[in-house]
Amino acid sequence: KAGVTQTPRYLIKTRGQQVTLSCSPISGHRSVSWYQQTPGQGLQFLFEYFSETQRNKGNFPGRFSGRQFSNSRSEMNVSTLELGDSALYLCASSLGGPSVTTDTQYFGPGTRLTVL
Amino acid sequence: AQKITQTQPGMFVQEKEAVTLDCTYDTSDPSYGLFWYKQPSSGEMIFLIYQGSYDQQNATEGRYSLNFQKARKSANLVISASQLGDSAMYFCAMREGGRGSTLGRLYFGRGTQLTVWP
Repeated sequence: KAGVTQTPRYLIKTRGQQVTLSCSPISGHRSVSWYQQTPGQGLQFLFEYFSETQRNKGNFPGRFSGRQFSNSRSEMNVSTLELGDSALYLCASSLGGPSVTTDTQYFGPGTRLTVL
Repeated sequence: AQKITQTQPGMFVQEKEAVTLDCTYDTSDPSYGLFWYKQPSSGEMIFLIYQGSYDQQNATEGRYSLNFQKARKSANLVISASQLGDSAMYFCAMREGGRGSTLGRLYFGRGTQLTVWP
């Protein structure tokens, strides 16, 4: 079974631009979560989607948004990029079953975003 | 308060030796899951092992085992017979079973950088 895939793997943007990152979950997984990883803040939760609905959102400004399609693929968008948005963006997929505590998240390779 | 605390920024172990990576957690939710992930320098987070709050026995997966002490709120990862390929960052994480803003999200510690030397 193929793992979680993320595209692109690397991205360089300039301040003020916007960017869209894509995530394809493991087949059969209906939940997709996004995390931002920086050396200073560590791993921070952005949002989680299940069956095209955002179930949960972390403490990020409105410039960060996402969506999920009917095939469970997900995209996240960051508008008006700032230097501080430079980070590794990780997507994770899981079955999304009723028992969230046993629902293991499997991660993709990440998208490394650099904002100049 | 931090949900997950990993107090060892770096650990060194010789090949073939065992090593324990510490993790303590903080939650008032009776239902939660604890996870360990490995992140090599390539960046991908690799799932290693899971322990549920109601599990009576410590989880094991091959060379990985979890020393779960519920009363102390600790979930230490034990790697037996270390290999050079085990060198990576290791993260402890928790999911709570409650509702609202904690539902389903993974809380991560700051990680422990493990270096295995020959």
